[in-house]
Amino acid sequence: EAGVAQSPRYKIIEKRQSVAFWCNPISGHATLYWYQQILGQGPKLLIQFQNNGVVDDSQLPKDRFSAERLKGVDSTLKIQPAKLEDSAVYLCASPGLAGNNEQFFGPGTRLTVL
Amino acid sequence: SQELEQSPQSLIVQEGKNLTINCTSSKTLYGLYWYKQKYGEGLIFLMMLQKGGEEKSHEKITAKLDEKKQQSSLHITASQPSHAGIYLCGADLNNRKLIWGLGTSLAVNP
Repeated sequence: EAGVAQSPRYKIIEKRQSVAFWCNPISGHATLYWYQQILGQGPKLLIQFQNNGVVDDSQLPKDRFSAERLKGVDSTLKIQPAKLEDSAVYLCASPGLAGNNEQFFGPGTRLTVL
Repeated sequence: SQELEQSPQSLIVQEGKNLTINCTSSKTLYGLYWYKQKYGEGLIFLMMLQKGGEEKSHEKITAKLDEKKQQSSLHITASQPSHAGIYLCGADLNNRKLIWGLGTSLAVNP
């Protein structure tokens, strides 16, 4: 099966600009995760979708971050407006099929905010 | 404080040497996942441990789970430059999501 696809791979913007990331998860997987990984830290869960519904967005800074998953397949994560501290790698993940918490990650989008 | 502590934070070894990375939880573990990450890229799944005393191996990497100590160790035998990267542990604390350690950065000098 194909893996998790993400685009773009890299993005450089200035603070106060807007940016959007796209994720195409593993086909047929209902759950989708977006993580933020700041350099030198582990991934931080931003939002978890189950189909097109939100399961957990407790750590999503909702004043500037938004995410959607139309039709329960692809997902986009948006930042508007970006701040310097948003510089990070944004990772999208699909769960495995074993029923445990194994997750398969996309290559990530590296965001640099200047 | 971190719920999941990894040590050491970074490690530099000579090619051919053995090394161990530890991951300790402050809460009961229901599953422990090891991943490897190249700088700026996604995480690659290595191994999952769920039962106390469980030990798994993949090529020259072995991971063990000590349920009583709420700790897992990742051991690399005869390290190679291809082992370089960041090793992350993720823990299932029975709340249906993973929490993560800060990672251990490994460099292997040829």
